[in-house]
Amino acid sequence: NAGVTQTPKFQVLKTGQSMTLQCAQDMNHNSMYWYRQDPGMGLRLIYYSASEGTTDKGEVPNGYNVSRLNKREFSLRLESAAPSQTSVYFCASSATLTRGGGQPQHFGDGTRLSIL
Amino acid sequence: EDQVTQSPEALRLQEGESSSLNCSYTVSGLRGLFWYRQDPGKGPEFLFTLYSAGEEKEKERLKATLTKKESFLHITAPKPEDSATYLCAVQGSGGGADGLTFGKGTHLIIQP
Repeated sequence: NAGVTQTPKFQVLKTGQSMTLQCAQDMNHNSMYWYRQDPGMGLRLIYYSASEGTTDKGEVPNGYNVSRLNKREFSLRLESAAPSQTSVYFCASSATLTRGGGQPQHFGDGTRLSIL
Repeated sequence: EDQVTQSPEALRLQEGESSSLNCSYTVSGLRGLFWYRQDPGKGPEFLFTLYSAGEEKEKERLKATLTKKESFLHITAPKPEDSATYLCAVQGSGGGADGLTFGKGTHLIIQP
């Protein structure tokens, strides 16, 4: 009963290094999301993918790229890491919006990323 | 722009002492209001979805209610295991992103 799985759980980078955060879901959801969570702030949307083959920017997309590899997997890439990107990153997935309203998003346990 | 404000920021209760957490929101076309529980080092865990004013949902000691401007999470006779951060989020129909707009959360501590 995995749900949303994120790897790695922890990572330390130096400024300027690149890395990719991985996310996979086994709930057959169409929509997937990347958020960041910083102390004193709510979760903020970085990018989302409404369906396989589509991606769109959220509230804080600068410095990030995403790839929807297939229906299960959605990765987040930092091309040149900066200290301001130190954060906890969460991936989420949900069923498609219906006429009845929004669908709940289900979250992984996060990747804790420190950039020195 | 959708906005969510949660209060109080932190709340300390004795075991069995009932209380309510507040979530005030502004949203363009409410698609849903969501409550989550987050434990330290974990991702948010979904609790409830509310879609329209007057709606209520219950689960064990928790009950969520919704008006046109606010939602409340009522905790009845809480236990220490209810200690967590409770997050409120909205999804609106305005703008292009389908993500959730979250509040900063209420950190709840239940003392035995």
